[in-house]
Amino acid sequence: DVKVTQSSRYLVKRTGEKVFLECVQDMDHENMFWYRQDPGLGLRLIYFSYDVKMKEKGDIPEGYSVSREKKERFSLILESASTNQTSMYLCASRFSGGLGETQYFGPGTRLLVL
Amino acid sequence: GNSVTQMEGPVTLSEEAFLTINCTYTATGYPSLFWYVQYPGEGLQLLLKATKADDKGSNKGFEATYRKETTSFHLEKGSVQVSDSAVYFCALSSGGGADGLTFGKGTHLIIQP
Repeated sequence: DVKVTQSSRYLVKRTGEKVFLECVQDMDHENMFWYRQDPGLGLRLIYFSYDVKMKEKGDIPEGYSVSREKKERFSLILESASTNQTSMYLCASRFSGGLGETQYFGPGTRLLVL
Repeated sequence: GNSVTQMEGPVTLSEEAFLTINCTYTATGYPSLFWYVQYPGEGLQLLLKATKADDKGSNKGFEATYRKETTSFHLEKGSVQVSDSAVYFCALSSGGGADGLTFGKGTHLIIQP
């Protein structure tokens, strides 16, 4: 079974802090994704990565950056956390076989910024 | 751009009732279509998918048919159980490369015994 793990289930940070969210997958997938999930808005794509050291902006990249130094790990960075970044963050990975490939999701990190 | 529209709910049904959750989409090209399910406190799991027109995806008694002429991918189940209570997301994948999924806003389903 594919396993996608996220470093924390819950995080509480203060405004202005630098925040790192880590995601690790164990299936050698090339593609990895970060989404945020908010009530009434569904899931929105923040960033994705085709492969190691490659990254592309998604629909809402402002205030975020990412890092992919190893194939299995994709990090989301909030350079200076703000209260409007309080949300559920979901990581996903996928084999790069095409549009029909399934994305596998981690359990999510619920971030509260005070 | 791409978009997915689905009923948001909550949808409340009695156990053994018939379920339909409507999903319609707008996309360029020929997208792949997915239904994901999120149980309380968990991440999203793939429920079923269809990659071309007229394909039917099915899993755990749930079904959905890719209807290109009506741009729809409605989710159905003949007899729901309390354990089906969850949030259901319709999604599509379109375009080249490693682009992400475009999701609907999710439908909260509540099944009462």
